[in-house]
Amino acid sequence: KAGVTQTPRYLIKTRGQQVTLSCSPISGHRSVSWYQQTPGQGLQFLFEYFSETQRNKGNFPGRFSGRQFSNSRSEMNVSTLELGDSALYLCASTLRPSYEQYFGPGTRLTVT
Amino acid sequence: KNEVEQSPQNLTAQEGEFITINCSYSVGISALHWLQQHPGGGIVSLFMLSSGKKKHGRLIATINIQEKHSSLHITASHPRDSAVYICAVYGGSQGNLIFGKGTKLSVKP
Repeated sequence: KAGVTQTPRYLIKTRGQQVTLSCSPISGHRSVSWYQQTPGQGLQFLFEYFSETQRNKGNFPGRFSGRQFSNSRSEMNVSTLELGDSALYLCASTLRPSYEQYFGPGTRLTVT
Repeated sequence: KNEVEQSPQNLTAQEGEFITINCSYSVGISALHWLQQHPGGGIVSLFMLSSGKKKHGRLIATINIQEKHSSLHITASHPRDSAVYICAVYGGSQGNLIFGKGTKLSVKP
């Protein structure tokens, strides 16, 4: 089976712009979670989707949003980018919530 | 205080040494993950466990639910084991993954 894929792998944006990141889960996996990793805060949970519904949301401002499509692919969007949004964004998929997670390679976002 | 604490933060070992990384948590959990992250960012799930002990090759993970503690052991360490090891628990009020800060392991030949 192909693993979790994320696109793009690298991205440079300017403050104030918006960005959309994409995640394709392992075939058959219906749950997708998103995480932000920074040197200061480590890994933090952003949100989780299961069967196109947001199941959980972490403690992030409303500028961070996401969605899941009927084929389980997921996108996350960050609007009005800030310098502090520079991070590695990881998605992970599982068969269903609270099962073992399989991580994608991440998208490294740099905001200048 | 973080809900998931790991120790040590940094660990340097000689090839062949036995290594232990510890994880303590303060929330109720349904399961615990041990993850490995190599330079470049990719994360691999090593173990997911909710009780007892699991073994895969040279890696062993244990968990004590009553003491809210887990350990990851690496036997006969090798330079390719050099990575950041992260403990994460499914727990808290929302049931999502909560991560420790990670343990950076460097194994010298």
